[in-house]
Amino acid sequence: QSVLTQPPSASGTPGQRVTISCSGSSSNIGSNYVYWYQQLPGTAPKLLIYMNNQRPSGVPDRFSGSKSGTSASLAISGLQSEDEADYYCAAWDDSLNGVFGGGTKLTVL
Amino acid sequence: QVQLVQSGAEVKKPGASVKVSCKTSGYTFTVFYLHWVRQAPGQGLEWMGWIDPYSGGTNYAQKFQGRVIMTRDTSISTAYMDLSRLRSDDTALYYCARGRYGDTYAFDFWGQGTVVTVSS
Repeated sequence: QSVLTQPPSASGTPGQRVTISCSGSSSNIGSNYVYWYQQLPGTAPKLLIYMNNQRPSGVPDRFSGSKSGTSASLAISGLQSEDEADYYCAAWDDSLNGVFGGGTKLTVL
Repeated sequence: QVQLVQSGAEVKKPGASVKVSCKTSGYTFTVFYLHWVRQAPGQGLEWMGWIDPYSGGTNYAQKFQGRVIMTRDTSISTAYMDLSRLRSDDTALYYCARGRYGDTYAFDFWGQGTVVTVSS
């Protein structure tokens, strides 16, 4: 059972906007940054969002992150078929231990 | 370009130990933390710990304390993760990942992963 809670699945049609939620507690999301990773089938995860809402260079601005209290969200606008992947949220707890969500499988219909 | 290249697949018996290496290139090894993350078959990601290649300092997830040792060899820009007393539920894909500059807890480059299979 993961420390951070994500819905197991999400879906959308091309062009649509999809949001994936991530719920934690005061000791992790509530007091530390949130990160988001995209994992395409058979590949290593890729950093999508860091420090709650910052995108590394090369990540399209269709991807955006937000945080409020002990929850966070990843939004993907203009959904594309290549966005079909597993998405994981992550944070650090006050003991400097990393925690992940269980992952959300995004299907593009 | 930044690269993290891990050692090959391992098959171990329960109770044995495994040592996975992560050879880095394309950046100054001692500037960036290295983390280890694992993924059991069909499961999510699990953080195991980090090593500061400059000092050798480490921080392990509570779940692995007493069973994991992370080390490094700065002369060859390589980090190692040693996991002992293996159990069947340690069967997983093990990744090394670099902590981003300025935010060491953002993993900006990943190794290709090393499959560790624990089976009698």
